[in-house]
Amino acid sequence: NAGVTQTPKFQVLKTGQSMTLQCAQDMNHEYMSWYRQDPGMGLRLIHYSVGAGITDQGEVPNGYNVSRSTTEDFPLRLLSAAPSQTSVYFCASSYSPGVYEQYFGPGTRLTVT
Amino acid sequence: AQSVTQLGSHVSVSEGALVLLRCNYSSSVPPYLFWYVQYPNQGLQLLLKYTSAATLVKGINGFEAEFKKSETSFHLTKPSAHMSDAAEYFCAVSVRGGYNKLIFGAGTRLAVHP
Repeated sequence: NAGVTQTPKFQVLKTGQSMTLQCAQDMNHEYMSWYRQDPGMGLRLIHYSVGAGITDQGEVPNGYNVSRSTTEDFPLRLLSAAPSQTSVYFCASSYSPGVYEQYFGPGTRLTVT
Repeated sequence: AQSVTQLGSHVSVSEGALVLLRCNYSSSVPPYLFWYVQYPNQGLQLLLKYTSAATLVKGINGFEAEFKKSETSFHLTKPSAHMSDAAEYFCAVSVRGGYNKLIFGAGTRLAVHP
């Protein structure tokens, strides 16, 4: 049971480039989320999904796209990277809303130059 | 709207001393409350959670937290700090009935010195 996996661990992009951060979970969780972590700001929700085919925006969705074609995978796409998107990105999954804990992946450290 | 405030971005204690990390929340409905810990270069892992069963919640590694509705607080404590407790700690609130959206505080970095 690998839990939540994320690839890549590190990435450097130039402004304007696009890329996809991968996230997969093997716990059959319906709920998956993407967060970004910036110093002094905690984690902020970018997008989340309550099941295959269903996604919604979080606090800071601008510049990011998501889709959820399977229960296991929840990729995050940066269409045109900007320096403001330099951050550490975490994917998380959960069995159900509210009371159940979220399981976090190890993170992707992204630098946009 | 829900929010979380963690008082003190950095806390430093001596090994063996009491650890107290403060968290206050704002929520218009009864919340679920969580404490997560992040060790260097790792993801977050759950320390403990409050779901209304008991106001004093015990978690892993000797940590506990008490939910005080009158003070809208959920402070994290540990009687005796260990060097391995050095990490960043996040308090988070989840809205009942919502889609498991966690609202995080800014985090408190705990340093433990000999």
